[in-house]
Amino acid sequence: DTAVSQTPKYLVTQMGNDKSIKCEQNLGHDTMYWYKQDSKKFLKIMFSYNNKELIINETVPNRFSPKSPDKAHLNLHINSLELGDSAVYFCASSPRGGSGETQYFGPGTRLLVL
Amino acid sequence: SQQGEEDPQALSIQEGENATMNCSYKTSINNLQWYRQNSGRGLVHLILIRSNEREKHSGRLRVTLDTSKKSSSLLITASRAADTASYFCATVSFQGAQKLVFGQGTRLTINP
Repeated sequence: DTAVSQTPKYLVTQMGNDKSIKCEQNLGHDTMYWYKQDSKKFLKIMFSYNNKELIINETVPNRFSPKSPDKAHLNLHINSLELGDSAVYFCASSPRGGSGETQYFGPGTRLLVL
Repeated sequence: SQQGEEDPQALSIQEGENATMNCSYKTSINNLQWYRQNSGRGLVHLILIRSNEREKHSGRLRVTLDTSKKSSSLLITASRAADTASYFCATVSFQGAQKLVFGQGTRLTINP
Protein backbone atom coordinates (compact mmCIF):
# COMPACT_ATOMS: atom_id res chain seq x y z
CA ASP A 1 0.00 0.00 0.00
CA THR A 2 2.98 2.31 0.50
CA ALA A 3 2.84 5.07 -2.11
CA VAL A 4 6.52 6.04 -2.18
CA SER A 5 8.96 3.60 -0.64
CA GLN A 6 12.70 3.79 -0.12
CA THR A 7 15.31 1.23 0.81
CA PRO A 8 17.22 1.04 2.96
CA LYS A 9 15.75 3.09 5.78
CA TYR A 10 19.13 3.39 7.51
CA LEU A 11 22.59 3.20 5.99
CA VAL A 12 25.81 3.39 7.98
CA THR A 13 29.01 3.13 5.98
CA GLN A 14 32.67 4.12 5.88
CA MET A 15 34.16 7.02 3.98
CA GLY A 16 35.22 6.08 0.48
CA ASN A 17 32.58 3.39 0.02
CA ASP A 18 30.00 3.32 -2.78
CA LYS A 19 26.34 2.89 -1.88
CA SER A 20 22.93 2.94 -3.53
CA ILE A 21 19.50 4.00 -2.32
CA LYS A 22 16.39 2.76 -4.10
CA CYS A 23 13.03 4.41 -4.53
CA GLU A 24 9.78 3.09 -5.93
CA GLN A 25 6.38 4.72 -6.33
CA ASN A 26 3.12 2.92 -7.07
CA LEU A 27 1.09 6.05 -7.75
CA GLY A 28 1.49 5.96 -11.52
CA HIS A 29 3.29 9.31 -11.44
CA ASP A 30 5.52 10.47 -14.28
CA THR A 31 7.94 12.55 -12.20
CA MET A 32 10.28 11.57 -9.39
CA TYR A 33 12.71 13.57 -7.26
CA TRP A 34 15.61 13.18 -4.87
CA TYR A 35 16.04 15.64 -1.99
CA LYS A 36 18.74 15.93 0.66
CA GLN A 37 17.88 17.09 4.19
CA ASP A 38 20.87 18.17 6.26
CA SER A 39 21.32 18.21 10.02
CA LYS A 40 19.68 21.65 10.23
CA LYS A 41 16.56 20.26 8.52
CA PHE A 42 17.25 22.26 5.37
CA LEU A 43 15.72 20.34 2.45
CA LYS A 44 17.19 20.82 -1.02
CA ILE A 45 16.34 19.23 -4.34
CA MET A 46 19.07 17.22 -6.03
CA PHE A 47 17.53 15.64 -9.12
CA SER A 48 14.24 15.26 -10.92
CA TYR A 49 13.26 12.77 -13.59
CA ASN A 50 10.20 12.85 -15.82
CA ASN A 51 9.39 9.59 -17.61
CA LYS A 52 12.98 8.39 -17.14
CA GLU A 53 14.41 11.66 -18.48
CA LEU A 54 16.58 13.90 -16.28
CA ILE A 55 15.00 17.36 -16.05
CA ILE A 56 16.54 18.87 -12.93
CA ASN A 57 20.18 18.45 -11.96
CA GLU A 58 21.14 20.86 -9.22
CA THR A 59 24.75 21.60 -8.34
CA VAL A 60 25.38 18.15 -6.96
CA PRO A 61 28.86 16.54 -7.01
CA ASN A 62 29.19 14.06 -9.86
CA ARG A 63 29.78 11.35 -7.24
CA PHE A 64 25.98 11.28 -7.11
CA SER A 65 24.40 9.51 -10.06
CA PRO A 66 20.66 8.97 -10.35
CA LYS A 67 19.25 6.20 -12.48
CA SER A 68 15.67 5.70 -13.57
CA PRO A 69 15.12 2.23 -15.09
CA ASP A 70 11.42 3.00 -15.52
CA LYS A 71 9.10 5.78 -14.42
CA ALA A 72 8.18 3.99 -11.19
CA HIS A 73 11.77 3.76 -9.97
CA LEU A 74 14.49 6.29 -9.27
CA ASN A 75 17.69 5.07 -7.66
CA LEU A 76 20.56 7.12 -6.30
CA HIS A 77 24.11 5.83 -6.43
CA ILE A 78 26.81 7.61 -4.46
CA ASN A 79 30.49 6.98 -5.13
CA SER A 80 33.40 7.65 -2.78
CA LEU A 81 31.22 8.66 0.15
CA GLU A 82 32.37 11.63 2.24
CA LEU A 83 31.53 12.71 5.77
CA GLY A 84 29.49 15.61 4.41
CA ASP A 85 27.18 13.21 2.60
CA SER A 86 25.66 12.25 5.95
CA ALA A 87 22.06 13.38 5.75
CA VAL A 88 18.52 12.13 5.21
CA TYR A 89 17.72 11.51 1.55
CA PHE A 90 14.10 11.73 0.48
CA CYS A 91 12.53 10.47 -2.70
CA ALA A 92 9.31 12.07 -3.92
CA SER A 93 6.96 11.84 -6.87
CA SER A 94 4.31 13.97 -8.54
CA PRO A 95 1.83 13.24 -11.33
CA ARG A 96 3.44 15.12 -14.22
CA GLY A 97 5.99 17.48 -12.67
CA GLY A 98 3.75 20.49 -13.16
CA SER A 99 4.02 23.58 -11.00
CA GLY A 100 0.70 23.24 -9.25
CA GLU A 101 1.17 19.68 -8.13
CA THR A 102 1.56 18.10 -4.75
CA GLN A 103 4.67 16.04 -4.22
CA TYR A 104 4.43 12.74 -2.34
CA PHE A 105 7.42 11.92 -0.20
CA GLY A 106 8.94 8.64 0.85
CA PRO A 107 9.94 7.98 4.48
CA GLY A 108 13.59 8.89 3.92
CA THR A 109 16.94 7.08 4.05
CA ARG A 110 19.18 8.10 6.91
CA LEU A 111 22.77 7.94 5.70
CA LEU A 112 25.63 8.14 8.16
CA VAL A 113 29.16 8.20 6.82
CA LEU A 114 31.87 7.38 9.36
CA SER B 1 20.02 29.45 -2.84
CA GLN B 2 17.46 29.04 -0.12
CA GLN B 3 14.18 30.63 -1.06
CA GLY B 4 11.86 30.40 1.91
CA GLU B 5 12.60 31.30 5.47
CA GLU B 6 10.23 30.31 8.24
CA ASP B 7 9.65 32.28 11.37
CA PRO B 8 9.81 31.35 14.17
CA GLN B 9 12.28 28.50 13.98
CA ALA B 10 10.58 26.89 16.98
CA LEU B 11 7.18 27.40 18.59
CA SER B 12 5.78 25.81 21.72
CA ILE B 13 2.13 26.32 22.72
CA GLN B 14 -0.57 24.70 24.83
CA GLU B 15 -3.09 22.32 23.34
CA GLY B 16 -6.15 24.18 22.17
CA GLU B 17 -4.27 27.38 21.32
CA ASN B 18 -3.74 28.61 17.80
CA ALA B 19 -0.35 28.35 16.14
CA THR B 20 0.88 30.80 13.51
CA MET B 21 3.95 30.24 11.38
CA ASN B 22 5.33 32.66 8.81
CA CYS B 23 7.29 32.19 5.65
CA SER B 24 9.14 34.78 3.59
CA TYR B 25 10.61 34.27 0.15
CA LYS B 26 12.74 36.21 -2.29
CA THR B 27 11.62 35.79 -5.91
CA SER B 28 8.32 35.81 -7.77
CA ILE B 29 6.39 32.60 -7.36
CA ASN B 30 3.81 30.52 -9.18
CA ASN B 31 2.51 28.98 -5.97
CA LEU B 32 3.49 28.30 -2.38
CA GLN B 33 2.93 25.04 -0.55
CA TRP B 34 3.03 24.01 3.09
CA TYR B 35 4.23 20.59 4.20
CA ARG B 36 4.36 18.85 7.57
CA GLN B 37 7.13 16.52 8.71
CA ASN B 38 6.64 14.35 11.76
CA SER B 39 9.82 13.31 13.52
CA GLY B 40 11.66 10.65 11.55
CA ARG B 41 9.17 10.69 8.71
CA GLY B 42 8.78 12.06 5.20
CA LEU B 43 6.97 15.25 4.32
CA VAL B 44 3.21 15.38 3.89
CA HIS B 45 1.53 18.00 1.76
CA LEU B 46 -0.94 20.22 3.63
CA ILE B 47 -2.10 22.98 1.36
CA LEU B 48 -1.21 24.86 -1.84
CA ILE B 49 -1.95 28.52 -2.50
CA ARG B 50 -1.51 30.06 -5.93
CA SER B 51 0.04 33.47 -6.53
CA ASN B 52 -3.34 34.96 -7.46
CA GLU B 53 -4.97 33.75 -4.23
CA ARG B 54 -4.84 35.59 -0.92
CA GLU B 55 -6.29 33.08 1.50
CA LYS B 56 -7.13 29.40 1.59
CA HIS B 57 -8.67 27.10 4.17
CA SER B 58 -8.47 23.39 4.77
CA GLY B 59 -10.04 22.06 7.96
CA ARG B 60 -8.20 23.69 10.86
CA LEU B 61 -5.60 25.18 8.54
CA ARG B 62 -5.68 28.69 7.16
CA VAL B 63 -3.02 29.94 4.78
CA THR B 64 -2.56 33.51 3.62
CA LEU B 65 -0.33 34.84 0.88
CA ASP B 66 0.86 38.42 0.41
CA THR B 67 2.81 38.59 -2.82
CA SER B 68 3.62 42.28 -2.33
CA LYS B 69 5.47 41.40 0.88
CA LYS B 70 6.60 38.02 -0.44
CA SER B 71 5.28 36.31 2.64
CA SER B 72 2.83 33.63 3.69
CA SER B 73 1.43 32.46 7.00
CA LEU B 74 0.03 29.16 8.18
CA LEU B 75 -2.47 29.22 11.02
CA ILE B 76 -3.46 26.04 12.82
CA THR B 77 -6.51 26.58 14.98
CA ALA B 78 -7.43 24.62 18.11
CA SER B 79 -4.09 22.81 18.13
CA ARG B 80 -3.79 19.18 19.18
CA ALA B 81 -0.86 17.14 20.45
CA ALA B 82 -0.83 15.33 17.10
CA ASP B 83 0.00 18.63 15.37
CA THR B 84 3.49 18.46 16.90
CA ALA B 85 5.79 18.38 13.88
CA SER B 86 8.00 20.55 11.71
CA TYR B 87 6.23 22.71 9.15
CA PHE B 88 7.87 23.78 5.91
CA CYS B 89 6.89 26.24 3.26
CA ALA B 90 8.01 25.57 -0.29
CA THR B 91 7.82 27.85 -3.27
CA VAL B 92 7.53 27.17 -6.98
CA SER B 93 8.79 29.97 -9.20
CA PHE B 94 7.75 30.90 -12.70
CA GLN B 95 11.27 30.65 -14.02
CA GLY B 96 13.24 27.57 -14.84
CA ALA B 97 12.28 23.99 -14.16
CA GLN B 98 9.37 23.38 -11.86
CA LYS B 99 10.81 22.51 -8.48
CA LEU B 100 9.97 23.04 -4.84
CA VAL B 101 12.36 25.26 -2.92
CA PHE B 102 12.00 24.71 0.82
CA GLY B 103 12.65 26.86 3.84
CA GLN B 104 14.22 25.48 7.00
CA GLY B 105 10.95 24.88 8.74
CA THR B 106 9.29 25.74 12.02
CA ARG B 107 9.42 23.15 14.76
CA LEU B 108 5.99 23.21 16.45
CA THR B 109 5.45 21.57 19.83
CA ILE B 110 1.96 21.26 21.29
CA ASN B 111 2.00 20.73 25.05
CA PRO B 112 -0.88 18.73 26.52
